[in-house]
Amino acid sequence: DAGVIQSPRHEVTEMGQEVTLRCKPISGHNSLFWYRQTMMRGLELLIYFNNNVPIDDSGMPEDRFSAKMPNASFSTLKIQPSEPRDSAVYFCASSLGAGINTQYFGPGTRLTVL
Amino acid sequence: AQKITQTQPGMFVQEKEAVTLDCTYDTSDPSYGLFWYKQPSSGEMIFLIYQGSYDQQNATEGRYSLNFQKARKSANLVISASQLGDSAMYFCAMREGRGTSYDKVIFGPGTSLSVIP
Repeated sequence: DAGVIQSPRHEVTEMGQEVTLRCKPISGHNSLFWYRQTMMRGLELLIYFNNNVPIDDSGMPEDRFSAKMPNASFSTLKIQPSEPRDSAVYFCASSLGAGINTQYFGPGTRLTVL
Repeated sequence: AQKITQTQPGMFVQEKEAVTLDCTYDTSDPSYGLFWYKQPSSGEMIFLIYQGSYDQQNATEGRYSLNFQKARKSANLVISASQLGDSAMYFCAMREGRGTSYDKVIFGPGTSLSVIP
């Protein structure tokens, strides 16, 4: 079975540019999560969708970050404009249903903003 | 307040020996789940093992077992017969299940495990 798919795997961009990260959750999973991982702050939840609806976006750093889930099989995380401090690994994860179910992570996108 | 505590930033273990990675948690929710993830140097997050708060027995998955002590709010990961490939960061995580659609997972800071040949 295909796991969570993320693209691109690596992204290098210049400050001020728009960056779009993509995620395809595991088929049948209805919860989707975007995380950011840095050495300083560890793993942080940015936003959580349930049934394509954003439930908790309190972790989104600021208005430069936006996320969408137009359908059950696709989500995007956009940063516009990007800044060097946005450099991190961004993970997408999905899980089945509500409650205490296991999240499965994608391989991550390593973002470098110069 | 810190909900997940991993007090061991770094651990070393001899190959073929067993090792215990500590995790304590804090919640007032009677229904919750505890997870361990492995992150090797390649960066991916790999799910290892899960323990539900109502599970009567400690979870086991191959060489991984979870020493769940509910009264002490601890969920330590035990890796038996360590292998060189076990060298990685290990994250303890908790998901509080309130029976609604809101099920946020909180991760601990991680423990770096190095297996010595």
